[in-house]
Amino acid sequence: EDQVTQSPEALRLQEGESSSLNCSYTVSGLRGLFWYRQDPGKGPEFLFTLYSAGEEKEKERLKATLTKKESFLHITAPKPEDSATYLCAVQPNSGGSNYKLTFGKGTLLTVNP
Amino acid sequence: EAEVAQSPRYKITEKSQAVAFWCDPISGHATLYWYRQILGQGPELLVQFQDESVVDDSQLPKDRFSAERLKGVDSTLKIQPAELGDSAMYLCASSVGYNYGYTFGSGTRLTVV
Repeated sequence: EDQVTQSPEALRLQEGESSSLNCSYTVSGLRGLFWYRQDPGKGPEFLFTLYSAGEEKEKERLKATLTKKESFLHITAPKPEDSATYLCAVQPNSGGSNYKLTFGKGTLLTVNP
Repeated sequence: EAEVAQSPRYKITEKSQAVAFWCDPISGHATLYWYRQILGQGPELLVQFQDESVVDDSQLPKDRFSAERLKGVDSTLKIQPAELGDSAMYLCASSVGYNYGYTFGSGTRLTVV
């Protein structure tokens, strides 16, 4: 069974204080690892998909990286508007599981001004 | 930008009553998903459709939950009777195919009293 563990559960930063969120996963074969951002009371918003170890993707102050066992979401010089819950999900490459996404519980990021 | 539409945004219902949620996916998206997200947790798959066919409903509590996508476009998720433990955010998502990333709707927040 696919599993995703995110840490820390909650992270509080000062504006401009860079940090990283971790996503550890176990999957029989990885097709893709997804990062989503979720604001309170809203649906998840897609950020990145990573497909292979060593891959990196960037968007504004966010950079996602992938190894064979985990992914990191690096936040550089965060701003208060980056405050949200960040969700990680894995998609297996096995059709037997219908390629469904399995999500972690998320990391609640709060950036104080 | 194309969106996944969901309604209602909020629903309060009494225990043992019936409740229904509606989802209209992005045009052309063959795959549709219903996820349930309990506060503080990651989304969990309830049911997956490919066109009008159910691909995966292994996590759907079939004694009280039902889902349909009659013409392979919009979908309805029903709960009858609702229980207190059903209070959660119900998220609909769609994708071009079942091995691609998802676009989520804004969700329906259900409160059972």
